Amino acid sequence: EVQLVESGGGLDQPGGSLRLSCAASGFTFSNSWMHWVRQGPGKGLIWVSRINSDGGITNYADSVKGRFTISRDNAENTLYLQMNSLRAEDTGVYYCVRVNAADAFDFWGQGTMVTVSS
Amino acid sequence: DIQMTQSPSSLSASVGDRVTITCRASQSIRTYLNWYQQKPGKAPKLLIYAASSLQGGVPSRFSGSGSGTDFTLTINSLQPEDFATYYCQQSYTTPPYTFGQGTKLEIK
Repeated sequence: EVQLVESGGGLDQPGGSLRLSCAASGFTFSNSWMHWVRQGPGKGLIWVSRINSDGGITNYADSVKGRFTISRDNAENTLYLQMNSLRAEDTGVYYCVRVNAADAFDFWGQGTMVTVSS
Repeated sequence: DIQMTQSPSSLSASVGDRVTITCRASQSIRTYLNWYQQKPGKAPKLLIYAASSLQGGVPSRFSGSGSGTDFTLTINSLQPEDFATYYCQQSYTTPPYTFGQGTKLEIK
């Protein structure tokens, strides 16, 4: 059974930092592109970042470029999102997501909540 | 970036009804269109990928169609568990992957 379990969310002040983790199991993690998707309170879905299977290719939404860094440890089957210089608009639930061969988001974690507020 | 627009934003229907949700892309995305269902407090769930392919385990009352810029999600014979918010998403020109704003399906 595919499982994605996020952790690391919490409350932080503007300008602060958080590191999200996503523990993957039930599939060959090292073969999969992985993504982070955010959902603000009561709002829609926003794609944040992606990383290829070996970590050599990363992409970011313009709103987080230069502040967030996606990475992975294939030996530990774990995906990360380092979030620096946090802003209020970064607030939301962050989902770790796997994509299928058609580049659709086929498995989602339960999400971890990030709140940026003074 | 490609913009995705869903209509309607909300919809009221009854159990047993057939409903259709529309998604329009700001430019052609061929059939690189996916549909998700999200229930309150839960993660989204993939229903349809590549415009018309049913994800494993999804009931056959769900179907998708379209290509280019116009797409539809149809739910035949609505069941109580289908009341949720539905999102379309394009995966043609990426990054970024862009979502529609969502359609909230409520019980009439």
